[in-house]
Formats: sequence, structure tokens, C-alpha cells
Amino acid sequence: AQSVTQLGSHVSVSEGALVLLRCNYSSSVPPYLFWYVQYPNQGLQLLLKYTSAATLVKGINGFEAEFKKSETSFHLTKPSAHMSDAAEYFCAVSAADSWGKLQFGAGTQVVVTP
Amino acid sequence: ETGVTQTPRHLVMGMTNKKSLKCEQHLGHNAMYWYKQSAKKPLELMFVYSLEERVENNSVPSRFSPECPNSSHLFLHLHTLQPEDSALYLCASSQEGRGPDTQYFGPGTRLTVL
Repeated sequence: AQSVTQLGSHVSVSEGALVLLRCNYSSSVPPYLFWYVQYPNQGLQLLLKYTSAATLVKGINGFEAEFKKSETSFHLTKPSAHMSDAAEYFCAVSAADSWGKLQFGAGTQVVVTP
Repeated sequence: ETGVTQTPRHLVMGMTNKKSLKCEQHLGHNAMYWYKQSAKKPLELMFVYSLEERVENNSVPSRFSPECPNSSHLFLHLHTLQPEDSALYLCASSQEGRGPDTQYFGPGTRLTVL
């Protein structure tokens, strides 16, 4: 079974500051890991995914995440926050042998202040 | 139209009504999903269809009835709902067969049950 924990339901960052969103997972088999973003009144959009290739994954809009097996983590970062990054971010995990069964974290709401 | 579309975007219904949510994917995928997104809770996977056959039903009450007439269309039939069923209902699709693949989400239907 897989599960995901996102630390912090709300994060406030200043425009131009580092964005760091934390995600820890548990999985009994090699995981596939995803970060999705949800803007107000929209569905979820994929930011990036890890599928056992490079441990540092680059995504859209300047985001990247690093898979650390020893820490069972997949934290999302962006060097410089932009106002348009205000949204809710979801980490999700799936096992390599169980397509379609994504387990989502509870989400982290990001607020960007001028 | 491109991607995943959902209609209606907003729906208000009484507890005795019958209504249906519609989802259509224009991506050529072979798997489709229904999720429920409630405030303060992680996304809940409700149903999974692969090649038009239901492969997952996560203990969803029978007042929710899915239908997948072909690989491009997915419906969620609703009847005698409860106020706690008020939520954002998200549809997603993916291409089965390549391991856990990216799920592409529609914008959702905001359902309010009075």
C-alpha cells in the first residue's frame, strides 16, 4: 500500500522567495511520484513526475523535485516565487505495478505575498 | 475541444432529484476515473474504468452510479443524494499499459446538494 503526507496545509511565501513544499511517501514497492497543481475553479494539472529515472525531476513553470529514497521524500521547489504560483499543490504516489491508483496527499495551499 | 471536458460545471440539486455528470476525453486514452474532492480532505478515487470496464469501485454508495459507454465518455448518475455529497467531482483519463501514467483532469463539476 502507498500513502503520502504533505507537511503544512498552508504556506505563505514572498514574491521572489524560495518555494519549498514537502512530501513524504510510504510504499512497499518502487514508487512513481507526482506533483499536481490546482488553480481556483480548475482541475489538477501535472507539474512533474518521477518514474525511476533521474532523481532530480524538472517540471513546468520552473518547478523541480528531488526523489530521495533514504528519506522517502519528494519535495517540490522553485527558486523564485511568482504571484501566479498561488494555488493548491498535491503530491501523489502510485506503485510501479499498479497503474491508475494514485494516492493523493491532502494538499498544500500556497499564498504569494508582494 | 481538447483535453478532458466536464459538464455541467456547476449543479445544484435537491435530495430527491436525479441528475448526471458527463465527462469526455479527447486524448485517445483508454482509462477514465471519477474523483471526489471535498474541503479539507484528500482526493478520493471513486471509480476507475479501463477499456470501458469498471476495475475499481472504492466502496462508493449506490446513490452514485457510473457509466462508461465508450473509451471517450464517462458519466456519473446521481440519485437521492445527501448534503454531505456536496463536493467537486473531477474526471480524469490516462493511457493504461505504460505503468502509472499521467492522469489528465477535467475542470470538475461543483455539486451542491440542498
